[in-house]
Amino acid sequence: EVRLVESGGGLVKPGGSLRLSCVASGTSFSGFTMTWVRQAPGKGLEWVASISGSSSYISYADSVKGRFTISRDNAQKSVFLQMNSLRVDDTAVYFCSRRADGESYWGQGTLVTVTS
Amino acid sequence: SYVLTQPPSVSVAPGQTARITCGGSDIVKKSVHWYQQRSGQSPVMVVYDDSARPSGIPERFSGSNSDNTATLTISGVEAEDEADYYCQVWDSPTDHLVFGGGTKLTVL
Repeated sequence: EVRLVESGGGLVKPGGSLRLSCVASGTSFSGFTMTWVRQAPGKGLEWVASISGSSSYISYADSVKGRFTISRDNAQKSVFLQMNSLRVDDTAVYFCSRRADGESYWGQGTLVTVTS
Repeated sequence: SYVLTQPPSVSVAPGQTARITCGGSDIVKKSVHWYQQRSGQSPVMVVYDDSARPSGIPERFSGSNSDNTATLTISGVEAEDEADYYCQVWDSPTDHLVFGGGTKLTVL
């Protein structure tokens, strides 16, 4: 069974930083692009960032570019999201996900709350 | 930036057919994926590459993509289909993943 488990969310003040982690199990990892998607309370899904299997290709949403950094450690089957200069509107549940061909996997999400 | 437009809500009686649209410029040139998100749960892909169905997804879920609109069709809607549905594409010119705003399906 493929599982993605996120961690690292929490309460942080505006301007602060958090590092989210997502660990995969039950599957190979290095060959797949991994993606972070967030969902603000009561709102829709918003793409945040994606990273290719070899980390050679990385892309960010305009709303987080320059503040967030996506990375991965294939040996640890993990993907990370370093979030700096956090803003109130970054408050959301952050999901890591993987989609390839006819399969899509999502974690349960980790809540990030940015408030003063 | 590329925009996908979905109706905020669709309502249908049990056993009827629900159609959820996703509009976008030249969307026919893109591969559209659809996700179902039940309340409090993580999204589940119900259609990929416009019209293919992942393993384990009921046959009542189908998709199409033509002109400027992609459509998710749920035939013989059941109470368990009540959820939010999102379309998604990869926009090559911007290298951005794009989601539609989501459609809340209510089963009357």
